[in-house]
Amino acid sequence: QQQVKQSPQSLIVQKGGISIINCAYENTAFDYFPWYQQFPGKGPALLIAIRPDVSEKKEGRFTISFNKSAKQFSLHIMDSQPGDSATYFCAASMMYMLTFGGGTRLMVKP
Amino acid sequence: KAGVTQTPRYLIKTRGQQVTLSCSPISGHRSVSWYQQTPGQGLQFLFEYFSETQRNKGNFPGRFSGRQFSNSRSEMNVSTLELGDSALYLCASSTTGAINEKLFFGSGTQLSVL
Repeated sequence: QQQVKQSPQSLIVQKGGISIINCAYENTAFDYFPWYQQFPGKGPALLIAIRPDVSEKKEGRFTISFNKSAKQFSLHIMDSQPGDSATYFCAASMMYMLTFGGGTRLMVKP
Repeated sequence: KAGVTQTPRYLIKTRGQQVTLSCSPISGHRSVSWYQQTPGQGLQFLFEYFSETQRNKGNFPGRFSGRQFSNSRSEMNVSTLELGDSALYLCASSTTGAINEKLFFGSGTQLSVL
């Protein structure tokens, strides 16, 4: 049973545009929600994370919006750049483990 | 500061064989976790160790096992390999495994089972 659902699977955005990736979770026991960025041939790298008692967190061009009642959270990438082209994973944490969404392959066109 | 080191980088095995993968965490990190990444199933949690104790285990068959040594280095073993075990195996480390700690991933070991 996939406990974290991520959409879309792929996304093409023009340089300077906004990239939006959405995730939904089922288990209310999750207590931390990180986003990871992965480039080909590399392991995932933490981008930004949020606790469920916070509705929004911004770090530079990256913003997480969190809706606890709807059990949904999203990543917004402002002013998207070609260097942002990568696969993005949302995740939910509990009991020393991460449950990942299926991933979104983002391509930012110059 | 060196990152998480995984060896070997690539591995080719045949069905029925067993394999051992190694992970050296960042110095000072005592929590090590393992994940399997495949195109079909995505990233799936295998297990997590802290101070040589397994604190959590994912939904994988008993053929998948791991251990952690006193220096925090970790190994995972897969016995009686199946074609479906072909995957990128990722190791990650953090200081204690607490929820808000940054988790650092290695580049993985790409296992191909023929």
